[in-house]
Amino acid sequence: GAVVSQHPSWVICKSGTSVKIECRSLDFQATTMFWYRQFPKQSLMLMATSNEGSKATYEQGVEKDKFLINHASLTLSTLTVTSAHPEDSSFYICSAPPLAGETQYFGPGTRLLVL
Amino acid sequence: QKEVEQDPGPLSVPEGAIVSLNCTYSNSAFQYFMWYRQYSRKGPELLMYTYSSGNKEDGRFTAQVDKSSKYISLFIRDSQPSDSATYLCAMSSNYQLIWGAGTKLIIKP
Repeated sequence: GAVVSQHPSWVICKSGTSVKIECRSLDFQATTMFWYRQFPKQSLMLMATSNEGSKATYEQGVEKDKFLINHASLTLSTLTVTSAHPEDSSFYICSAPPLAGETQYFGPGTRLLVL
Repeated sequence: QKEVEQDPGPLSVPEGAIVSLNCTYSNSAFQYFMWYRQYSRKGPELLMYTYSSGNKEDGRFTAQVDKSSKYISLFIRDSQPSDSATYLCAMSSNYQLIWGAGTKLIIKP
C-alpha cells in the first residue's frame, strides 16, 4: 500500500514554543492531506484539510491561527502548532488519499508533549 | 444520533475464535467503506476497503457491507494475540472520512 511518513515521531517542548510537524507521501502524490488529533482513548478528530496550492480548510472549533498548515507540494504538508500549551499535548496524525482515490493512508503519527 | 455508530468495547475473545466487528451508519450517501487497525501509539493502518454492498476477503479478514441495512462488518478468522488492537470503521463520501469510535479488541492467548 501507499506510504505516508511523519516527522518527528516524538517532540517535547516548553509552553509557548512553536512546533512544526511534517507529513510526506512517499510513493504517491496527494493534492489533499488531512490532519487529525487523537487524545488518549478517544477516536480520531479531523482538524483540517490541507490543499496543495491553496488555503487549508479548518473544522469548526479549530483555531487556524494556532494550527498553521502549509501544503507546499504534492508530497508535503506541514502543521505548525504555534505558541503551544500543555492542552495541545496530543497525538497528531496526517493522512493522504492517492490522487483520484477515496482511501486514506495514514502516517505513523507525532506525539507532542508540551511542558 | 452519530453518523457512524461503533461499540467501543472492549471485546475480549480467546485465541483462535472468530471475531465479528460491526458499525452502523445513517447517511445513505456513503459509498466507500474502510476498516483500519490501530495499535497503541501508532497511526491507523488500512486493513480493508470496499465499495458497494457485498463481501471482500483478504487472508483471515472479511469485510461485509450491507447498504440496505446500513451495516458493515469485519470478520477475523483464527484470531491471534497480535490482532489485539483498536479497529476503526470509516466511511467516505466526497473525500470526507467519517469515523466510528473504534472497538478495542483483546485476543487472549
